[in-house]
Amino acid sequence: QVQLQESGPGLVKPSQTLSLTCTVSGASISSGGYYWSWIRQHPGKGLEWIGYIYYSGSTHYNPSLRSRVTISVDTSKNQFSLKLSSVTAADTAVYYCARSGVPGWGFDYWGQGTLVIVSS
Amino acid sequence: SYELTQPPSVSVSPGQTASITCSGDKLGDKYACWYQQKPGQSPVLVIYQDTKRPSGIPERFSGSNSGNTATLTVSGTQAMDEADYYCQAWDSSTAHVVFGGGTRLTVL
Repeated sequence: QVQLQESGPGLVKPSQTLSLTCTVSGASISSGGYYWSWIRQHPGKGLEWIGYIYYSGSTHYNPSLRSRVTISVDTSKNQFSLKLSSVTAADTAVYYCARSGVPGWGFDYWGQGTLVIVSS
Repeated sequence: SYELTQPPSVSVSPGQTASITCSGDKLGDKYACWYQQKPGQSPVLVIYQDTKRPSGIPERFSGSNSGNTATLTVSGTQAMDEADYYCQAWDSSTAHVVFGGGTRLTVL
């Protein structure tokens, strides 16, 4: 059974960098064939795709966040990570990691989500 | 950038059929998928590649996609189907993922 688990600080100060890691079990990122995404959901709002990475390191980002986002992969640890710089209160959200085949084929596995609050 | 539009809310009586639409330019030329999200839970994929149901998803969930509109249909709606539903597509021209704004399905 594939499982994804987000981890990282739940509280980040404004202007700092939000850093989260997604640990994958039950599947190997380095096997290829899947894209690994970060998605967020502001409180009471809809889903917003942040970006995805392939095991090779190839990435694609949401244009609205591109200037502040970096997604990386560590195949030795079977993890991928999100860094979002210069955060503001508007970045307060539940952050999910998720897996998809071809990106248009849907996210079939999701992490439980982690709430990140940006506040001083 | 590519956009998907959903109605904010849809209401249905138990046992009836609910239809939730998702509109986007030439959406029928792309694959659409649908997610169900209940309060405090992660989204669950209920339809992918327009019409396919993942293992474990009840047959009462079905999908279609043509022209500019994808539709999620819930037949014989049950109280447990009350949730937020999101459509999603992939814009192959930009390789970007796009979500609709979500529709709250209320079973009255």
